[in-house]
Amino acid sequence: GNSVTQMEGPVTLSEEAFLTINCTYTATGYPSLFWYVQYPGEGLQLLLKATKADDKGSNKGFEATYRKETTSFHLEKGSVQVSDSAVYFCALSPFPYGKLTFGQGTILTVHP
Amino acid sequence: DAGVIQSPRHEVTEMGQEVTLRCKPISGHDYLFWYRQTMMRGLELLIYFNNNVPIDDSGMPEDRFSAKMPNASFSTLKIQPSEPRDSAVYFCASSDRDGYTFGSGTRLTVV
Repeated sequence: GNSVTQMEGPVTLSEEAFLTINCTYTATGYPSLFWYVQYPGEGLQLLLKATKADDKGSNKGFEATYRKETTSFHLEKGSVQVSDSAVYFCALSPFPYGKLTFGQGTILTVHP
Repeated sequence: DAGVIQSPRHEVTEMGQEVTLRCKPISGHDYLFWYRQTMMRGLELLIYFNNNVPIDDSGMPEDRFSAKMPNASFSTLKIQPSEPRDSAVYFCASSDRDGYTFGSGTRLTVV
């Protein structure tokens, strides 16, 4: 079945540092890939998505590129802010949509 | 659209009591999902529906859990009897071709 693996956390950074959160997946066919963010006490919000190989999703300074050859969808941001502190989830669904499978989540803490 | 609406936001109940969580999906969405989130196990998919029909309930932990979707605008997740280990945040989500939308969740505490 489909599965998503995220890098172990938590991740602690200083403000303005570069962020990478690794995500790899196992799936049949051509899944759609997502990053969701969850702020403390809140639900999940879509951060970005990509629906085909080599697509780059981007939002609020975050980026991730759909790499089919390495089955990866790593999340990056060039300069993090304290307000980016949250839990980040990588996820996939079959194309065009259907069951949404999540990784285990990565806690990000950004210090001033 | 008001988004996916879950009720109640918080529920505290005693062990052994029946608990019913409710979800109103976004109109026009044809998939509905129930997830459970805990610190120990992360996000777990419990069950999902397509056009009101349950497709996969393999994530439902045991017979104490049941879910229904009597129509396209309403779903329930019931726990009977509840146990302290059921304490978690339960999320409902709905989707169509354009994407997935999550509700704000129900925080369940079983004492």
